[in-house]
Amino acid sequence: SQTIHQWPATLVQPVGSPLSLECTVEGTSNPNLYWYRQAAGRGLQLLFYSVGIGQISSEVPQNLSASRPQDRQFILSSKKLLLSDSGFYLCAWRVVSEQFFGPGTRLTVL
Amino acid sequence: GENVEQHPSTLSVQEGDSAVIKCTYSDSASNYFPWYKQELGKGPQLIIDIRSNVGEKKDQRIAVTLNKTAKHFSLHITETQPEDSAVYFCAASKVAQKLVFGQGTRLTINP
Repeated sequence: SQTIHQWPATLVQPVGSPLSLECTVEGTSNPNLYWYRQAAGRGLQLLFYSVGIGQISSEVPQNLSASRPQDRQFILSSKKLLLSDSGFYLCAWRVVSEQFFGPGTRLTVL
Repeated sequence: GENVEQHPSTLSVQEGDSAVIKCTYSDSASNYFPWYKQELGKGPQLIIDIRSNVGEKKDQRIAVTLNKTAKHFSLHITETQPEDSAVYFCAASKVAQKLVFGQGTRLTINP
């Protein structure tokens, strides 16, 4: 069966520090991969998606970047975090129709 | 592009009653409509979905209906239980394209 992992589960970082969030998927090949951000009590904002290794599409211009170095690995990064980067970050994978989310990373920028 | 509107934003029902959440979409070419349940501090969980060639789908206490002519679809939860309390999201897309999500509905089941 398919499994999606995200780490870390929680993260507290100072403003101006770098960020690296990792997402890996098991049990499937060549999935579409997605990064979403969710502010407290709000909806799902799509940040990036990838249809293959090295292929990244950005939905919202911002302080973040994404990379897909391997078929089932998706990384979200920032060189310098802003206060507004705080939120709940969700990775998701999709093959054909159904899309499944990971457990999320709670990021607090102080 | 696709736009999905979801109503209501909050819904409170008595335990045992039914709950209905409605979504409308703008792109008549959309043909896949999933529903997600998100519990506090967790990622959204796919609970049911429907494709445009079907008008209704049921899974135990949960059902989804689709009206392609009116471009709206609904989630129905019967015999609600406290564990149904969560935020529910609808979404729409063409198959294999990006999902567009509604704004979410916070459902509270009162004992």
